[in-house]
Amino acid sequence: SQQGEEDPQALSIQEGENATMNCSYKTSINNLQWYRQNSGRGLVHLILIRSNEREKHSGRLRVTLDTSKKSSSLLITASRAADTASYFCATDQGSGGSNYKLTFGKGTLLTVNP
Amino acid sequence: GAGVSQSPSNKVTEKGKDVELRCDPISGHTALYWYRQSLGQGLEFLIYFQGNSAPDKSGLPSDRFSAERTGGSVSTLTIQRTQQEDSAVYLCASSLGSWPGGYTFGSGTRLTVV
Repeated sequence: SQQGEEDPQALSIQEGENATMNCSYKTSINNLQWYRQNSGRGLVHLILIRSNEREKHSGRLRVTLDTSKKSSSLLITASRAADTASYFCATDQGSGGSNYKLTFGKGTLLTVNP
Repeated sequence: GAGVSQSPSNKVTEKGKDVELRCDPISGHTALYWYRQSLGQGLEFLIYFQGNSAPDKSGLPSDRFSAERTGGSVSTLTIQRTQQEDSAVYLCASSLGSWPGGYTFGSGTRLTVV
């Protein structure tokens, strides 16, 4: 498996419910980021969490990071139909690597039904 | 401009032809990245430019791929003798510096080789 793998691969929920997506990675990291992609085109940066942080909030988004388990989760609360998109986690390498080179997972396709 | 601009948005080419994809980064962003996304896959790193430093070309899949960045701004990704496996969305991103505080992506160029 590759660095930055999300699960589930696909998630379908009703509007108003919470959506949780997980990301696992293999090597040490400097930071982990989450991106959103609509319709297979450009990605939008959502949130960045550094390796020394455990939790971060931004609006309806909550990200956690557990470096001991090499995993992160993205929680979207009170989901809306407009949240329908693919969500990717991206990591950069820890010391000795090229920290500008982000490694992306294959993403979670979230569908929010009205 | 306000965002990262890529052109063309779609390109259909015959196998064996050369193609050029263009990226206009955000003004003032010194770092520029090219990624490739095949259908249903995550993003694959291709190349990274930072200021006047030598680019990191370690992600280019073959010598048919090349990229340049003129004047620290516009970048062109060239694929020579295109093959069907080159079909993908090519995404360009830029950021303020080498530390990935979050990339700003363009909308991508969808390349189809027939």
